[in-house]
Amino acid sequence: SAVISQKPSRDICQRGTSLTIQCQVDSQVTMMFWYRQQPGQSLTLIATANQGSEATYESGFVIDKFPISRPNLTFSTLTVSNMSPEDSSIYLCSGLVPAKNIQYFGAGTRLSVL
Amino acid sequence: QKEVEQNSGPLSVPEGAIASLNCTYSDRGSQSFFWYRQYSGKSPELIMFIYSNGDKEDGRFTAQLNKASQYVSLLIRDSQPSDSATYLCAAARTGNTPLVFGKGTRLSVIA
Repeated sequence: SAVISQKPSRDICQRGTSLTIQCQVDSQVTMMFWYRQQPGQSLTLIATANQGSEATYESGFVIDKFPISRPNLTFSTLTVSNMSPEDSSIYLCSGLVPAKNIQYFGAGTRLSVL
Repeated sequence: QKEVEQNSGPLSVPEGAIASLNCTYSDRGSQSFFWYRQYSGKSPELIMFIYSNGDKEDGRFTAQLNKASQYVSLLIRDSQPSDSATYLCAAARTGNTPLVFGKGTRLSVIA
């Protein structure tokens, strides 16, 4: 399997602040994705992180709220901006290993917004 | 709209029984299908993947795919309490497209 390291593992934040989540993957990974999992729900794709260019966002997610960077092949960040309690969720980084056509997940970031 | 549908459960089975988890998908262009296991508070862990019609076995797990019926299933033989988790079905069009997940089926194996 691929190694996907994500941090922080959890955080408690105040309304109106921003949190940046980091994801480091090993060299097998080509594509990187960011998902959100709200309590009791399944995974919803936020965006595909593109190396050196703007991320590709899914319907309902915008760059101003969830800016994403991917400066190189093995590193990406997701920022949750101007947070509100509705942003309380688990955020998951995922990496695709094309040789196996399999996506692997990081351990996730459990975010609580007060 | 690409959708993956699963019964949310909970599905309760006694220890040692066969657990059968089902999934349907709406996008006929889907080519790859995955089953992930997710324990409470943890991230999804890949259990099985299947690309071709028929059965694929790996230990106690068997994945079944029927593209004509747009149906995927996961059988868990000799279920153990440690198998109690939420099982997520996912589909993808190609190797370079993100997964579309179902809502997951919660499995409870009773000792």
